[in-house]
Amino acid sequence: EVHLVESGGGLVQPGGSLRLSCTASGFTFSTCAMSWVRQAPGKGPEWVSSISGKGDTTYYTDSVKGRFTISRDNSRNTLYLQMNSLRTEDTAVYYCTKRDGWHQFDSWGQGTLVPVSS
Amino acid sequence: EIVLTQSPGTLSLSPGERATLSCRASQSISSSDLAWYQQKRGQAPRLLIYGASSRATGIPDRFSGGGSGTDFTLTISRLEPEDFAVYYCQQYVSSPLTFGGGTKVEIK
Repeated sequence: EVHLVESGGGLVQPGGSLRLSCTASGFTFSTCAMSWVRQAPGKGPEWVSSISGKGDTTYYTDSVKGRFTISRDNSRNTLYLQMNSLRTEDTAVYYCTKRDGWHQFDSWGQGTLVPVSS
Repeated sequence: EIVLTQSPGTLSLSPGERATLSCRASQSISSSDLAWYQQKRGQAPRLLIYGASSRATGIPDRFSGGGSGTDFTLTISRLEPEDFAVYYCQQYVSSPLTFGGGTKVEIK
């Protein structure tokens, strides 16, 4: 069974930084593309970033380009999201997701809350 | 960017009734790269349908997806109490990947 567990969320001030982690189990992590999807309070989900299985290809939504960096450590079955220059509009629950190829998000973690506020 | 518009915003139905949810894309999703997710309060979204019409593992057959091009539907043939939730469509044919605004299926 696929299991994704996020950690690293918490209150951060505008302009601050945070690194999210996602520990994966139950599948061959190194062969799967992974993504981060966020959901602001009361809103629908929003795709943030994706990374290939090898980690050599990455994609970002425009609003986080230059501020967020997705990466992975396949030896630790762990996905990361480094978030810098955080803004209040980045406030959301951040979900780690597994993708089927470059297709749908077929498994989701429970999410980690990142409130950005002074 | 492909914009997905879901309708209606809220659907009020009774258990046992049929639910039909709509998702319209701003441009053609020619390869049917469209998914549907269910989200219950306080939980992560769960994949229901991918490829516009294929059910994900473990999804009951009362859930079905259809459509092509710009118009897609999710049908729940007979609502069970656990089906009352918010449903989102999502396209993965082009970046940025986008979600619709959601349809809430509530108990009438």
